[in-house]
Amino acid sequence: GNSVTQMEGPVTLSEEAFLTINCTYTATGYPSLFWYVQYPGEGLQLLLKATKADDKGSNKGFEATYRKETTSFHLEKGSVQVSDSAVYFCALSDRKYAGGTSYGKLTFGQGTILTVHP
Amino acid sequence: ETGVTQSPTHLIKTRGQQVTLRCSSQSGHNTVSWYQQALGQGPQFIFQYYREEKNGRGNFPPRFSGLQFPNYSSELNVNALELDDSALYLCASSLAGGSGYTFGSGTRLTVV
Repeated sequence: GNSVTQMEGPVTLSEEAFLTINCTYTATGYPSLFWYVQYPGEGLQLLLKATKADDKGSNKGFEATYRKETTSFHLEKGSVQVSDSAVYFCALSDRKYAGGTSYGKLTFGQGTILTVHP
Repeated sequence: ETGVTQSPTHLIKTRGQQVTLRCSSQSGHNTVSWYQQALGQGPQFIFQYYREEKNGRGNFPPRFSGLQFPNYSSELNVNALELDDSALYLCASSLAGGSGYTFGSGTRLTVV
């Protein structure tokens, strides 16, 4: 079955440091890949996505490139801020076919806690 | 454009009870998915509804059931609550065939 593996956390950085959170996946076919962010006490917010190999998703200074050859989708940011402190989830979506219809579901990694200090 | 809204935000139930959680999908979205997020874990897929029909299900027991209404809002019902059902329950809406999912803020269920 599909799976997503994220680097172990928590990650603690100083403001303006470079961020990398590793994500690798196992899937059949050609899934779409996502990064979601979750702030304390809140639901999930889409940070960025990529739908095919070599696509780069970007948003708010964060970037991730869909690497099919290494089955990876690592999240990077050149200069983190205190406000980036949150939990980050890597996820993939594929389509399943059942009963004449298709449905998509997200498979998530376990999450990486990021804390940025001033 | 309204987002996904869930109610209630917090809930405390006793083991063995039943609970109903509600979700209003984002305007224009016809598909609703439910996820369970245990503390410190990533969300796990429970099931998905498209135009009032369930068309996908994860590895959850039958006591987890749901409905989708003509306006595409949805309910998640859990019977015979167990302590391990304590979690954040997230609803996500999307367009069928699309790859974008919009999540609500979730319902925090505590079973005591």
